[in-house]
Amino acid sequence: DIVMTQTPSSQAVSAGEKVTMSCKSSQSLLYNENKKNYLAWYQQKPGQSPKLLIYWASTRESGVPDRFIGSGSGTDFTLTISSVQAEDLAVYYCQQYYNFPYTFGAGTKLELK
Amino acid sequence: QVQLKESGPGLVQPSQTLSLTCTVSGFSLTSYNVHWVRQPPGKGLEWMGVIWSGGNTDYNSALKPRLSISRDTSKSQVFLTMNSLQTEDTGIYYCNRNQAYWGQGVMVTVSS
Repeated sequence: DIVMTQTPSSQAVSAGEKVTMSCKSSQSLLYNENKKNYLAWYQQKPGQSPKLLIYWASTRESGVPDRFIGSGSGTDFTLTISSVQAEDLAVYYCQQYYNFPYTFGAGTKLELK
Repeated sequence: QVQLKESGPGLVQPSQTLSLTCTVSGFSLTSYNVHWVRQPPGKGLEWMGVIWSGGNTDYNSALKPRLSISRDTSKSQVFLTMNSLQTEDTGIYYCNRNQAYWGQGVMVTVSS
């Protein structure tokens, strides 16, 4: 199975701050045939279902604010929130869909400083 | 609009079988894939399996011996069946369409 490692596990932030979080995979998620990285990012708030933010490592889902930016390729990926808002406090998960079983990272929890 | 809703028993006894239903609306099961994902209390997400639009299935190998996903396209329903339940199977079970549209989840507790 592909292991997804997210760091940090939690991060205290202030509103307006730029935030970056990392996701590393145990093998490359880049499919050479189409040059796509099979990596998604989700946001989960307490008591809610996960919400898809980013797919193909850098494509924002419709309706997702442009302060959410996905980047990276191969085995190293980053989710950046350019200016954190109060409503962004949540747990963020990365997931690979390159191989079965699709696997998730353990999550990065954003908390208020 | 696209909606998915999970339903099933909230409590299952150890060693028994879990049966969940995901009822969808706003799209056809013959056009989109439906995944099942679960989440133990206070923990992360685990992908369980998928039923593809063509009807084929793929499963998490760790669960495959116990897990089955099927569907009734005429009723717009997807079914999850998992046997030999243990306490570690307790959690919220979600269905989703291609990871983009998610149901609200259903809490399943395995306890005697």
